[in-house]
Amino acid sequence: ETGVTQTPRHLVMGMTNKKSLKCEQHLGHNAMYWYKQSAKKPLELMFVYNFKEQTENNSVPSRFSPECPNSSHLFLHLHTLQPEDSALYLCASSQDLGGVNQPQHFGDGTRLSIL
Amino acid sequence: AQKITQTQPGMFVQEKEAVTLDCTYDTSDQSYGLFWYKQPSSGEMIFLIYQGSYDEQNATEGRYSLNFQKARKSANLVISASQLGDSAMYFCAMRGEYGNKLVFGAGTILRVKS
Repeated sequence: ETGVTQTPRHLVMGMTNKKSLKCEQHLGHNAMYWYKQSAKKPLELMFVYNFKEQTENNSVPSRFSPECPNSSHLFLHLHTLQPEDSALYLCASSQDLGGVNQPQHFGDGTRLSIL
Repeated sequence: AQKITQTQPGMFVQEKEAVTLDCTYDTSDQSYGLFWYKQPSSGEMIFLIYQGSYDEQNATEGRYSLNFQKARKSANLVISASQLGDSAMYFCAMRGEYGNKLVFGAGTILRVKS
């Protein structure tokens, strides 16, 4: 139990569907992150939020839309995805963005398959 | 910019033996942090151990220890008394003093044999 919960664990959707991934952290952290992990590729940072404000968007296509209503919750809204978007999506949190000694704590991930 | 290199795509180790997973890094920052994560086949990323660039002692956490050689820019993970449950992907990562990113290496798959 890492203190970061992601739902759903698995998601299969068509290219025209709209779905959302949810992440909740119970660690009292202020920073939250979305990562994409594709097969045989390094982990890719997608978005960073600090105190509910987006601080980083790593050129992510607009079909991925993040939302951070408070420091404990992070969503990733998905629409009109492509087959290459099939991957493991990991949420993480850390105390905040300062300090090199802060580990990020990850959730179990959502394994997304696009048909 | 930071860069992490893990040169071992896969490793095998006999149960109860020790294994070293290699990690080298590149950064121009004076202050930085190094992390190791374990990812079982189920997907979750589990934080294992942290080493700060100014720490004089090598970090240890239970059966995990970090062999930190600053001059060589290496931060190898040593797992002692390997267990079958240690079979997983292991990632080395670092965070520099001016960025909010964790930069990850490509990972090493470890298989523990009985």
